[in-house]
Amino acid sequence: DTEVIQTPKHLVMGMTNKKSLKCEQHMGHRAMYWYKQKAKKPPELMFVYSYEKLSINESVPSRFSPECPNSSLLNLHLHALQPEDSALYLCASSHRDRGTEAFFGQGTRLTVV
Amino acid sequence: QKEVEQNSGPLSVPEGAIASLNCTYSDRGSQSFFWYRQYSGKSPELIMSIYSNGDKEDGRFTAQLNKASQYVSLLIRDSQPSDSATYLCAVNPSASNDYKLSFGAGTTVTVRA
Repeated sequence: DTEVIQTPKHLVMGMTNKKSLKCEQHMGHRAMYWYKQKAKKPPELMFVYSYEKLSINESVPSRFSPECPNSSLLNLHLHALQPEDSALYLCASSHRDRGTEAFFGQGTRLTVV
Repeated sequence: QKEVEQNSGPLSVPEGAIASLNCTYSDRGSQSFFWYRQYSGKSPELIMSIYSNGDKEDGRFTAQLNKASQYVSLLIRDSQPSDSATYLCAVNPSASNDYKLSFGAGTTVTVRA
């Protein structure tokens, strides 16, 4: 089973709203990732958690706040977003020992209005 | 120089033909190489991983790696209309940074029935 589950599938939010994206995996993976993907572009890495600790932050604006409550869950808290933040947000996970063979969730399509 | 470059598309092939996708990378220390398939509006799906020089076959897919030439390719044999998608080459840039994946821009493949 290589399933990464993301909720919600679609989200529309105003620029003053606070919302959260959720990601869950039960494959025992110890690395979890958030990526952002704009149309016709490759995924861009935002954050990496390794063993529930933030290991990489790719200079992401503070209006995006990641959280890893436990080894199976990853959240992305959103606040005061801009319309240009509209994108597909992808969660992924991998075994630490397999050189980042990463499996993606189905994504959350975010629209900021 | 981009970290990962893919041959520009789109690539159109007739049904039953071989589709050949190419990818070059700049970091000679790269250790892990992946091909993802992404259907329009969907998330990337891992279809091949390759770590050693040579060929790796999985069904109709063959990945080829040449570290000396810093080149990785994907062949799709007996192409089917269901293979129509964007194919993303991803590279783990350095053995000392296990979590980062660098993606190429992707090659869009269309299989003509």
